[in-house]
Amino acid sequence: AQTVTQSQPEMSVQEAETVTLSCTYDTSESDYYLFWYKQPPSRQMILVIRQEAYKQQNATENRFSVNFQKAAKSFSLKISDSQLGDAAMYFCAYRRIGNQFYFGTGTSLTVIP
Amino acid sequence: EAGVTQFPSHSVIEKGQTVTLRCDPISGHDNLYWYRRVMGKEIKFLLHFVKESKQDESGMPNNRFLAERTGGTYSTLKVQPAELEDSGVYFCASSPRDRGYEQYFGPGTRLTVT
Repeated sequence: AQTVTQSQPEMSVQEAETVTLSCTYDTSESDYYLFWYKQPPSRQMILVIRQEAYKQQNATENRFSVNFQKAAKSFSLKISDSQLGDAAMYFCAYRRIGNQFYFGTGTSLTVIP
Repeated sequence: EAGVTQFPSHSVIEKGQTVTLRCDPISGHDNLYWYRRVMGKEIKFLLHFVKESKQDESGMPNNRFLAERTGGTYSTLKVQPAELEDSGVYFCASSPRDRGYEQYFGPGTRLTVT
């Protein structure tokens, strides 16, 4: 069974600094998607970044980038120049063929002014 | 374009009562998904509709949960009778027909069973 592990329940970062959130997953498949979702307090989850497993290049979206290590089954999220609005719960997710998502337990990120 | 909406945002019921959660997907999205997050744990898949048909309901915990999507538009998730362990946040998501990896989530319904 596929599992997604986020080993950091809580993280904090100083405003304007960089933080990395960890995620590992377990799968026997070779083709899949990985995602990072962000859920601000009392608001809905929004997609931060998506990575396709067959692409070797790490995905980047403005200040957000990933370090995708397929062999190690690792998918970390780096947030550069952290802003107050980045404070949220971050979920790592894996999608197998057939649309079902598997999520981690989440990492609560605090941004310190 | 309106996003995925869910109603109610919060529901508190007693054990043994019935609750119905509603999800309105993004207009035109054939795929609709239900997920649940129990406090402190991972978000778990419950089921997946393609239009009005259940494509995958492997995550439904037991027969106290009934999901419907009449007409392929909005969906309801009924819990009857509710148990304490059903407490959590229920998320709905939708995606276009051929882009299941583009799931847009609703804000969730927080269900508390006392």
